[in-house]
Amino acid sequence: AQKVTQAQTEISVVEKEDVTLDCVYETRDTTYYLFWYKQPPSGELVFLIRRNSFDEQNEISGRYSWNFQKSTSSFNFTITASQVVDSAVYFCALSEDGDNFNKFYFGSGTKLNVKP
Amino acid sequence: EAGVVQSPRYKIIEKKQPVAFWCNPISGHNTLYWYLQNLGQGPELLIRYENEEAVDDSQLPKDRFSAERLKGVDSTLKIQPAELGDSAVYLCASSLDGVAGVGNEQFFGPGTRLTVL
Repeated sequence: AQKVTQAQTEISVVEKEDVTLDCVYETRDTTYYLFWYKQPPSGELVFLIRRNSFDEQNEISGRYSWNFQKSTSSFNFTITASQVVDSAVYFCALSEDGDNFNKFYFGSGTKLNVKP
Repeated sequence: EAGVVQSPRYKIIEKKQPVAFWCNPISGHNTLYWYLQNLGQGPELLIRYENEEAVDDSQLPKDRFSAERLKGVDSTLKIQPAELGDSAVYLCASSLDGVAGVGNEQFFGPGTRLTVL
């Protein structure tokens, strides 16, 4: 079974629109870590955020915000006032505790197209 | 601070030829990963090193793939012989020591795009 599901394969928005990228995860561990990465057309995955399972506070960084809800096993990512430079593929990832601490399970990614 | 360095960026070979990819992780990062990424998919782990030791190579096709990380710094991933289905992007990543509770975020290199003809 998929540990990380990103149901949205591709999203297109017009510049300045807000957009939310969904991420649903599955784990039996009580301690785990969630990540978001951005992969622009250049190809290099860029680390955006890491959250642990004990910190459910939502986080905001500039135009980016993340909504972590353990009750629904979701870690959604919202871009406010999107810009063309936000066009990329975004990946959500999960790592679990113990021996699997460094093993990442990636979702299949959501391609975001921001049009001018 | 320099990021993860990979070379070459692009490689085109004919099937049955050997190919090798090189990775230099971020200084001080003891954990190194090789991933395979097919078009439209997320990265899939091939092998993970903690210093010189390969601690997870369960997804590495050992009949044709091999990897090494001598001295616990640089790493090389080799395919011999390459097959058409090996065409993909090969990503290298590194992270700090895997101590639970401390940051384990992985930092990725630009990848090597392999085309097998």
